[in-house]
Formats: sequence, C-alpha cells, structure tokens
Amino acid sequence: EAGVTQSPTHLIKTRGQQATLRCSPISGHTSVYWYQQALGLGLQFLLWYDEGEERNRGNFPPRFSGRQFPNYSSELNVNALELEDSALYLCASSLVRHWAGGPPYEQYFGPGTRLTVT
Amino acid sequence: AQSVTQLDSQVPVFEEAPVELRCNYSSSVSVYLFWYVQYPNQGLQLLLKYLSGSTLVKGINGFEAEFNKSQTSFHLRKPSVHISDTAEYFCAVSGQGAQKLVFGQGTRLTINP
Repeated sequence: EAGVTQSPTHLIKTRGQQATLRCSPISGHTSVYWYQQALGLGLQFLLWYDEGEERNRGNFPPRFSGRQFPNYSSELNVNALELEDSALYLCASSLVRHWAGGPPYEQYFGPGTRLTVT
Repeated sequence: AQSVTQLDSQVPVFEEAPVELRCNYSSSVSVYLFWYVQYPNQGLQLLLKYLSGSTLVKGINGFEAEFNKSQTSFHLRKPSVHISDTAEYFCAVSGQGAQKLVFGQGTRLTINP
C-alpha cells in the first residue's frame, strides 16, 4: 500500500512569491492535515481538510490556504512568502470519525516538502 | 486548550543503555497521547499511542510508554538503545473529537557507541 506522498521534495522561492505544495493521501483516507515544522518553533498544526471542506485551522495568517480535491489529494498555498515561512511542511492523512466522540484515527505522515524562502 | 511539554531538548546515551524521554501534557478534557519518531530527512512515524485501557503501552522497535493521569505524564522508555534509535522524538496530544495533533518541541536522542 502506497503511503502519503508529497511534492515537490524541495522548493526554493523568493520573498513575496507564492508557493504551492501538494499531497496525496493513503488510498481510502478522506482527511488530510498540514503541519509546519520550522526551526525553533516545532511542529504546528496548519489545516485540516475532510471530504473537500476545511474543518479546522491553526493559528496562521490567511495567506496560508489550501484545498482538497474530489480524489482527496490536497494543495497548500502560501502567498506573499516571508523569510520565516522557510520550514518543512508535512502532510498527513487519516480516516475520520464523522461523530464528535471517541479517539481519533492514526495520522500517517508523508516525507515533507522543504520550503526555502530567500 | 491542550499543550505538551517535552522536558529535555537533547538526550545523549550510550549504546545498550536504557533511556527515558519525558513528556507532560496539559488538557482539561480526555486526551489521547502519541509518540512519533522522525529520522533525519524523513517524515514522522508513529511509535505508540494511548487511547484508553492499560496505562502501559507497547510500541514498535522495543519502545513503551506509561500514561500517568495524576502526573499528566506520558514518558517514553526503552531498556536498551541502539545506534539506529538516533532520531528526534515527538510527544503529541489530541482531544476527544479533535482531529489535530498538538506536538511537543521534540527531544533529540543521540546514541554514543
């Protein structure tokens, strides 16, 4: 079974440009999560998509956005890039419970996209 | 709100020695706890998880962790480490119904021969 895949592996952009990162979940998973791993800031939750809808958002400015496609793959877009956006962006996928209670399903992580803003 | 504190940013140990990586969490509701490992230039891999039931959880690669509700801790242990355990380890928490993971700052485990 193929795992979570992300592209590109590395991305170099200049300040002010836009970056687009892509993620393909494990087959059968409908939820996709994005996390940012920046030096000194640890792993921070960015966005959660399920069934094509944004379900939850972390404490990031609106220039971080994304979408989920009908095949459940996802894009993360970062507009007006700033130097501090340089980080490893990790995508994860999981099944999801469509009710509020109970434990979450395991999230499976991809290898990440390393974004460097110069 | 939930938070996780990993008490040690770096832990150096000798090969075949035991190791404990400490994790404390803060949450006002029921929690689910996880330990992930990140090898150099790779994504995260789940080591083990506590969802309910027995407070001693066994995971992959010989790791185990104990959930202690009164001390709000979820420390990770291995009785004998190997060079291949060199990696960064992350403790994470998720709440009931919540789908996001809140991570600690990570602990870098270095194994010396």
